[in-house]
Amino acid sequence: SQTIHQWPATLVQPVGSPLSLECTVEGTSNPNLYWYRQAAGRGLQLLFYSVGIGQISSEVPQNLSASRPQDRQFILSSKKLLLSDSGFYLCAWSFEGPPLHFGNGTRLTVT
Amino acid sequence: AQSVTQLGSHVSVSEGALVLLRCNYSSSVPPYLFWYVQYPNQGLQLLLKYTSAATLVKGINGFEAEFKKSKTSFHLTKPSAHMSDAAEYFCAVSDKIDSGYALNFGKGTSLLVTP
Repeated sequence: SQTIHQWPATLVQPVGSPLSLECTVEGTSNPNLYWYRQAAGRGLQLLFYSVGIGQISSEVPQNLSASRPQDRQFILSSKKLLLSDSGFYLCAWSFEGPPLHFGNGTRLTVT
Repeated sequence: AQSVTQLGSHVSVSEGALVLLRCNYSSSVPPYLFWYVQYPNQGLQLLLKYTSAATLVKGINGFEAEFKKSKTSFHLTKPSAHMSDAAEYFCAVSDKIDSGYALNFGKGTSLLVTP
């Protein structure tokens, strides 16, 4: 069966510091991968999605970037964090159609 | 773009009472609709999905939802609430993006179950 892993589970970082969040999927190949952010009172917002290695699409302009160095690995990064980057980050995957399977998320607090 | 609106950011019910969480959609094409549940500091768990088959969709944990095209609604119900149902619930609609599909979520409804 397929599983999705995200780490770390929680992270506290100062403003201006870099960020790297990792997501991996096991038990499948060539999945579509997604990064969502959940901010207080704003629901879930799609940040990035990828249909293959090195293929990244961004839905909203922001201080973050994403990379897919391997088929089942999706990384969310920032060179310099802002206070507004705080939130709950969720990785998700699918074969076809929309993402149905989500990871347990990373709670990021920028101080 | 397809979108959903969840009516009521907070809903409180007594244990054993009917749960009704409201969701209305806006879509230019026949929608695929979903309900997710999120427990504190956890990811999203799929409760049920509507993909143009039966209009009454049964999901996990005793939840069900009915697709009503005339009312553009996809409300989530459960006949009898349990304390363990207390969580955040999200309605979502599938939306076409460049290379595939994503989900557009509502802002969520927090369900409180009181003894």
